[in-house]
Amino acid sequence: NAGVTQTPKFQVLKTGQSMTLQCAQDMNHNSMYWYRQDPGMGLRLIYYSASEGTTDKGEVPNGYNVSRLNKREFSLRLESAAPSQTSVYFCASSEDLILRENTEAFFGQGTRLTVV
Amino acid sequence: GNSVTQMEGPVTLSEEAFLTINCTYTATGYPSLFWYVQYPGEGLQLLLKATKADDKGSNKGFEATYRKETTSFHLEKGSVQVSDSAVYFCALKLMIYNQGGKLIFGQGTELSVKP
Repeated sequence: NAGVTQTPKFQVLKTGQSMTLQCAQDMNHNSMYWYRQDPGMGLRLIYYSASEGTTDKGEVPNGYNVSRLNKREFSLRLESAAPSQTSVYFCASSEDLILRENTEAFFGQGTRLTVV
Repeated sequence: GNSVTQMEGPVTLSEEAFLTINCTYTATGYPSLFWYVQYPGEGLQLLLKATKADDKGSNKGFEATYRKETTSFHLEKGSVQVSDSAVYFCALKLMIYNQGGKLIFGQGTELSVKP
């Protein structure tokens, strides 16, 4: 099984450019997440989506937009990249059925983004 | 708000030493608690979890007990190996009715095990 697939794996952008990070999962999960990982900061939640058609802000949403295109896909868009957005980005998904205990999240391999 | 605090790293141990990584949390409800591990260049993998007070999660020789009275979920292993070198993340998750669940991480603790 592929699990959670992120593309691209690496990207270099110039300040002001835009791009979309793609994420897809093949586990029929309801919830999907976007995190950024920075040294000494752990993983910080950017946006999450509890189900198809819904999205909510996390801890650090400024400068980002998301789209839950369907149950499988959850994309993250940087409209005007800034050097402060240089980071490693992780997508994750979890089952999260109502009335079931909290389920684990499965992570993609990450996208290393550098904004110059 | 909801948050997770881990002991700062890096932690450096000799092979076969005892490991403890402290984790405490603040939550408005009754979260589930997780430990994830990240090996160099990879994404995060679930190491263990506990879903209610006094539960003990265990996997690969690692253990952690959900302590509601001290709001803690400390990770322990009796004898570490070089292959355990990685970054360890404590996390909590609160389910919100009809809204799924937010998964919130601590800052991570880097573990380095020397032969």
